[in-house]
Amino acid sequence: EAQVTQNPRYLITVTGKKLTVTCSQNMNHEYMSWYRQDPGLGLRQIYYSMNVEVTDKGDVPEGYKVSRKEKRNFPLILESPSPNQTSLYFCASSFSSREGYEQYFGPGTRLTVT
Amino acid sequence: LAKTTQPISMDSYEGQEVNITCSHNNIATNDYITWYQQFPSQGPRFIIQGYKTKVTNEVASLFIPADRKSSTLSLPRVSLSDTAVYYCLVPYTGGFKTIFGAGTRLFVKA
Repeated sequence: EAQVTQNPRYLITVTGKKLTVTCSQNMNHEYMSWYRQDPGLGLRQIYYSMNVEVTDKGDVPEGYKVSRKEKRNFPLILESPSPNQTSLYFCASSFSSREGYEQYFGPGTRLTVT
Repeated sequence: LAKTTQPISMDSYEGQEVNITCSHNNIATNDYITWYQQFPSQGPRFIIQGYKTKVTNEVASLFIPADRKSSTLSLPRVSLSDTAVYYCLVPYTGGFKTIFGAGTRLFVKA
């Protein structure tokens, strides 16, 4: 089954404790993204990757890191989480960022930083 | 920057046809228009995509006029389960970002 998986689905952590949210897709997609969604602010892109070893900042990259060492995986790293990073996070993938622009989204990771 | 503008919210009743219009005045020549549906606490789900004229699938129709500066998502005979937020997207002309607008919150009443 074609899908995007994220882990964990729910995470409660404390300020400053490094964490990684994993994202994996099985569709051989080139383009992958991370978004955060907050009430009243909609979906905002954090980082995206055009292909292996090619990443770039979205609209809200501060406080986040990503890597794309393999085509299927695109982990999101919070080196020192803060309470303002409490949010619902989505990973997504697609064949391209332009033509054929259909993105497949993961189920979401709800992160709470206390 | 290809920006989209949609109504913030719409109400409808079960069984009615709903049309949501999106304006994208600065869409680039080769860009497609894509619509997504999102339920609370779930990731957006692709509904339909088109380049020009009309596209129809089992869920919706998408109407795009010749100038491509707008598009209309048409949901036939909505049900309560169509209550969701609907996003219209066009590619970001300045690069490869993805920018979601505020979307249209559709509320279907019995």
